[in-house]
Amino acid sequence: GAVVSQHPSRVICKSGTSVKIECRSLDFQATTMFWYRQFPKQSLMLMATSNEGSKATYEQGVEKDKFLINHASLTLSTLTVTSAHPEDSSFYICSAPSWGTDTQYFGPGTRLTVL
Amino acid sequence: DAKTTQPPSMDCAEGRAANLPCNHSTISGNEYVYWYRQIHSQGPQYIIHGLKNNETNEMASLIITEDRKSSTLILPHATLRDTAVYYCIANAGGTSYGKLTFGQGTILTVHP
Repeated sequence: GAVVSQHPSRVICKSGTSVKIECRSLDFQATTMFWYRQFPKQSLMLMATSNEGSKATYEQGVEKDKFLINHASLTLSTLTVTSAHPEDSSFYICSAPSWGTDTQYFGPGTRLTVL
Repeated sequence: DAKTTQPPSMDCAEGRAANLPCNHSTISGNEYVYWYRQIHSQGPQYIIHGLKNNETNEMASLIITEDRKSSTLILPHATLRDTAVYYCIANAGGTSYGKLTFGQGTILTVHP
């Protein structure tokens, strides 16, 4: 199947700093990518839809100024957590649909810990 | 996405078939049934999907009832590496594809 990568796999940062997470589709183009967040012992929650060449669409309750999304190319979307706080500590996962296969592929996730 | 209901946990002996049920009684005619699994601290992995007909691939089989109100994911010969949380999701695809609504899933534990 298609491959989606994320970088970094884990990051620890101090409160108040910003953290950038990259999501890449390695062997297919993705005009749309999705960002999910998962807290411990909970299910995945969709945060936003990343659209190549246009603004991201955020789910209700997700602060767009805090979670900046940039879909720079057909294979790269980035999520920047600005002014991170301990409550932003979570597992962030991206995904990209492979339209020809009606299948969505997920990245391995990024574990963010804010001290 | 239509609401899906899954048992919170199931056990299976290694080498035996694991049958994971999913109820989706309000599924729309254009909604597919997707199955994903998530092994601890990893991103979800696609397993299989179907609309009406039963489907089989190298990982699993998907059996959908004729009225499409429920389905069963079958792992024919479960191994310890199949221990994971399994998610059943109803999604219409098309422009809504990708905005997957994850429930709590079924925690499958495969025992030696």
